[in-house]
Amino acid sequence: GQQLNQSPQSMFIQEGEDVSMNCTSSSIFNTWLWYKQDPGEGPVLLIALYKAGELTSNGRLTAQFGITRKDSFLNISASIPSDVGIYFCSGGSNYKLTFGKGTLLTVNP
Amino acid sequence: NAGVTQTPKFRILKIGQSMTLQCTQDMNHNYMYWYRQDPGMGLKLIYYSVGAGITDKGEVPNGYNVSRSTTEDFPLRLELAAPSQTSVYFCASSYSPDSSGANVLTFGAGSRLTVL
Repeated sequence: GQQLNQSPQSMFIQEGEDVSMNCTSSSIFNTWLWYKQDPGEGPVLLIALYKAGELTSNGRLTAQFGITRKDSFLNISASIPSDVGIYFCSGGSNYKLTFGKGTLLTVNP
Repeated sequence: NAGVTQTPKFRILKIGQSMTLQCTQDMNHNYMYWYRQDPGMGLKLIYYSVGAGITDKGEVPNGYNVSRSTTEDFPLRLELAAPSQTSVYFCASSYSPDSSGANVLTFGAGSRLTVL
């Protein structure tokens, strides 16, 4: 089946720092979605990307849909303590989503 | 709107017991999904449904069954619980995707199942 390679697996940063994480795949996807999961909760959508090359921002978050349709990155600027959580990339095709293994983000105040 | 509601939130089962995880959504979404999440492994698709009366296997369907008698409900059944089914289960739903196959999932809060 389709697989996504998400990196890094975990990050420990200081409040105020910028963060970058990415996903790559050997398969082409029609959409790239980034979700965040807080402890004990389900994933919540952060950003959805629908076209190759698309660059989209949502507040301090910026994500891009790679030109090859096989990769995407998420940047978080000026991190704050509430950014703590697990971030998942997901690639969409044929009305199903394939998820990366997640990036665990810890922000030290 | 409640969104996607899952019950129970927690459950402990003995090996060989059966149970049903309930999922209901009030957004009139056609598509519904069940994922399991294991530590460090992301989310794996168990089963999905594109509409009432239609279900299909995902990546890891063995040991599970589903049904979709209504648009709102998509229960997941474990017939003979095994320790390998200890996991957190997430139900999700979405509108029908557009012509590119794109769709955005809304997730429930999860059901944590332990099989001893």
